Amino acid sequence: AQSVTQLGSHVSVSEGALVLLRCNYSSSVPPYLFWYVQYPNQGLQLLLKYTSAATLVKGINGFEAEFKKSETSFHLTKPSAHMSDAAEYFCAVSPTQGGSEKLVFGKGMKLTVNP
Amino acid sequence: NAGVTQTPKFQVLKTGQSMTLQCAQDMNHNSMYWYRQDPGMGLRLIYYSASEGTTDKGEVPNGYNVSRLNKREFSLRLESAAPSQTSVYFCASREDRGRLEFYNEQFFGPGTRLTVL
Repeated sequence: AQSVTQLGSHVSVSEGALVLLRCNYSSSVPPYLFWYVQYPNQGLQLLLKYTSAATLVKGINGFEAEFKKSETSFHLTKPSAHMSDAAEYFCAVSPTQGGSEKLVFGKGMKLTVNP
Repeated sequence: NAGVTQTPKFQVLKTGQSMTLQCAQDMNHNSMYWYRQDPGMGLRLIYYSASEGTTDKGEVPNGYNVSRLNKREFSLRLESAAPSQTSVYFCASREDRGRLEFYNEQFFGPGTRLTVL
């Protein structure tokens, strides 16, 4: 079964600093990968997704992620954090075939941005 | 275009009471999902429906039932609520178009916060 691992549950950065949120996947073949963001008291919103078209994926709000097959990783980055980036971030995976209609989510990472 | 809507937004139940959470989408999506979100657990799939008239169990289906009433609506029922079902419940629907750039994007509702005493 496919899964994703987000190590830790909280990360804190200063405004203007680099944001790096880690995600590693477990799959026998490269899957489809997603990053979702959840702002306080809201539902989840898609940030970006990898569907094998390009390994460097750009998303909304200045975020990007790079798919690295050799490292089974799909880490999310943003060069300069903004206060409005404070939210919880979820990595998710789906297989490319057989059960591809389902997403499996990581446990989430809460990002705090300090002034 | 409202996207995915859920009712109610908040609910408090006593142990043993029943209730139905409602979800509707206006994006003409075939697939719909129910998740629960608990602290430190991420989102876990309860049930999903790949098309009108079909439903399948997800990771944590025990204690829940679902109904895909029509293409727009997918309801989640708790027949006898338990404190372990205290959670935030999200409904989602999936982009079904075949083009790769739209593949498997799920759209989420705002959630229902349920407390079972």
